Amino acid sequence: GAGVSQSPSNKVTEKGKDVELRCDPISGHTALYWYRQSLGQGLEFLIYFQGNSAPDKSGLPSDRFSAERTGGSVSTLTIQRTQQEDSAVYLCASSSGPETQYFGPGTRLLVL
Amino acid sequence: QKEVEQNSGPLSVPEGAIASLNCTYSDRGSQSFFWYRQYSGKSPELIMFIYSNGDKEDGRFTAQLNKASQYVSLLIRDSQPSDSATYLCARAPYGGSQGNLIFGKGTKLSVKP
Repeated sequence: GAGVSQSPSNKVTEKGKDVELRCDPISGHTALYWYRQSLGQGLEFLIYFQGNSAPDKSGLPSDRFSAERTGGSVSTLTIQRTQQEDSAVYLCASSSGPETQYFGPGTRLLVL
Repeated sequence: QKEVEQNSGPLSVPEGAIASLNCTYSDRGSQSFFWYRQYSGKSPELIMFIYSNGDKEDGRFTAQLNKASQYVSLLIRDSQPSDSATYLCARAPYGGSQGNLIFGKGTKLSVKP
């Protein structure tokens, strides 16, 4: 079956611009996660959606970051007024249970 | 503070040898541990998860968990060049429930032919 998909695969933007990153989880997965991975760094948790519950936003680094999940499926991560330090690979994962999170291919964001 | 620690490597082993990857963690409440493999430029893929003290084997991979000493390891037997990747250790913050994983920075493994 189809895995987690993300778009765009690459995004180059100018400092100060807003960007939207999209994640389409595996069908039926109730949990969706956003992480980011900077060069030489581990995966950093950003936000977690579980069903219809309020999202866990504890990992968002600043109020420039926000995310929503519409209809319990597709999620969009928005970064406003991008900064160069936002450059990273943004990874989305989904799961149906506690054991396994399946990752998408990621969006490589470069802020010039 | 960093909650999951891994040696960044690179760890270099010859083909056919056993590769031993180690991870320590600071939160004694951690219940679930995961090993992910990440090839360069690719996304992480789950290799194994372990909840209980002791060993868990899956093919050439064995995960070992010692909660008293707060470490978890991954052994790869008969290492192959295709095993060359970065191995990420992660823990779940809440025992047995869903939630974000906390990852180490990963250990880069290189298996030489």
